[in-house]
Amino acid sequence: AQSVTQPDIHITVSEGASLELRCNYSYGATPYLFWYVQSPGQGLQLLLKYFSGDTLVQGIKGFEAEFKRSQSSFNLRKPSVHWSDAAEYFCAVGARNTGKLIFGQGTTLQVKP
Amino acid sequence: EAQVTQNPRYLITVTGKKLTVTCSQNMNHEYMSWYRQDPGLGLRQIYYSMNVEVTDKGDVPEGYKVSRKEKRNFPLILESPSPNQTSLYFCASSRNLYNEQFFGPGTRLTVL
Repeated sequence: AQSVTQPDIHITVSEGASLELRCNYSYGATPYLFWYVQSPGQGLQLLLKYFSGDTLVQGIKGFEAEFKRSQSSFNLRKPSVHWSDAAEYFCAVGARNTGKLIFGQGTTLQVKP
Repeated sequence: EAQVTQNPRYLITVTGKKLTVTCSQNMNHEYMSWYRQDPGLGLRQIYYSMNVEVTDKGDVPEGYKVSRKEKRNFPLILESPSPNQTSLYFCASSRNLYNEQFFGPGTRLTVL
């Protein structure tokens, strides 16, 4: 069975600083990996996804993530954070050939002016 | 406009009173799924459907039922709600599991 861990429940960064949100997964084969963002009171929006191929994937809003099989990680990064990036971020892992999707507990990002 | 709609958006009910939360999508998506969101637990998948008449359990299916008689609709049924089902519920759809899921606006359910 697959599982996802987001070790950081809450992160605060200054506007303009770089950001890295951690995601570790457990799955027996190569998983499908996603990062979603949820702004306050809103539904979820896909930032990026990884299925195969290039392990560095680019997403919307200037985000990128790197799949590292050896570390079972799929960390999300942004070089310069904007105040509008304050939100909750979810990593998710999908199992191939099933419809199951497992989300992490989420990381809340606060951006200081 | 492409969207996933859920009704009702807010519901307060009492223990044991059967209820249905509707979910409808207008994007001709094959895959649909229900999640519940609780503080500190993220989103947990309740049920999903890969296509019409095909449904399967997610991580937390106990106390819930679903049906997929037509492609656009995927209702969530609570036959006998209990207070531990108080939560924020999201319906989502996508072309298949490997594509972006589009989420509905959420239904906030309180069971007294």
